[in-house]
Amino acid sequence: EPEVTQTPSHQVTQMGQEVILRCVPISNHLYFYWYRQILGQKVEFLVSFYNNEISEKSEIFDDQFSVERPDGSNFTLKIRSTKLEDSAMYFCASSETPTGNSVGYTFGSGTRLTVV
Amino acid sequence: GQSLEQPSEVTAVEGAIVQINCTYQTSGFYGLSWYQQHDGGAPTFLSYNALDGLEETGRFSSFLSRSDSYGYLLLQELQMKDSASYFCAVRDGGFKTIFGAGTRLFVKA
Repeated sequence: EPEVTQTPSHQVTQMGQEVILRCVPISNHLYFYWYRQILGQKVEFLVSFYNNEISEKSEIFDDQFSVERPDGSNFTLKIRSTKLEDSAMYFCASSETPTGNSVGYTFGSGTRLTVV
Repeated sequence: GQSLEQPSEVTAVEGAIVQINCTYQTSGFYGLSWYQQHDGGAPTFLSYNALDGLEETGRFSSFLSRSDSYGYLLLQELQMKDSASYFCAVRDGGFKTIFGAGTRLFVKA
């Protein structure tokens, strides 16, 4: 079964450092997303990406965040200057359609980001 | 504002039936989805309702009433492995799906 792959599984970084989280979406999917989940809390939308541009972003996704699809397979989330409150599990997801519809989004296993 | 409300936790015994409710208030509506998440794992898609009524997939069923902005997930013949968090989610009309806070289901022997 096709899957979304995320690397690394766990990243520890010092406050103020830049981090790049990597994702390889399912190859025939066109819509890509980043979500985050602070421990024990809900899954929060960060950004959606389609046709090589951001289609929507949340208020969390400020100037410190950026996304890129540098080639035909990778989809990255960059946090320019990490803060303690950025510590969370970051999930990448992809879908064939913008709604997910009858098959939903496929999520990766996540990257646990710990900012110290 | 946009919100999805669901109970924080539910406990049931193995073999029983449990219903997890979700009410939503969003600027747009393009269907209600349900996801399951085990501790430390990724959310996995369970079901999707775009129209009113009941959708059945094995032991899991999902219901939607658009006029009431309400839906539920019904889990039958509960098994220990069903212990997990369950999230309802709505695409609000843009390119994002909003998740509820999740319902933690504890299945007891």
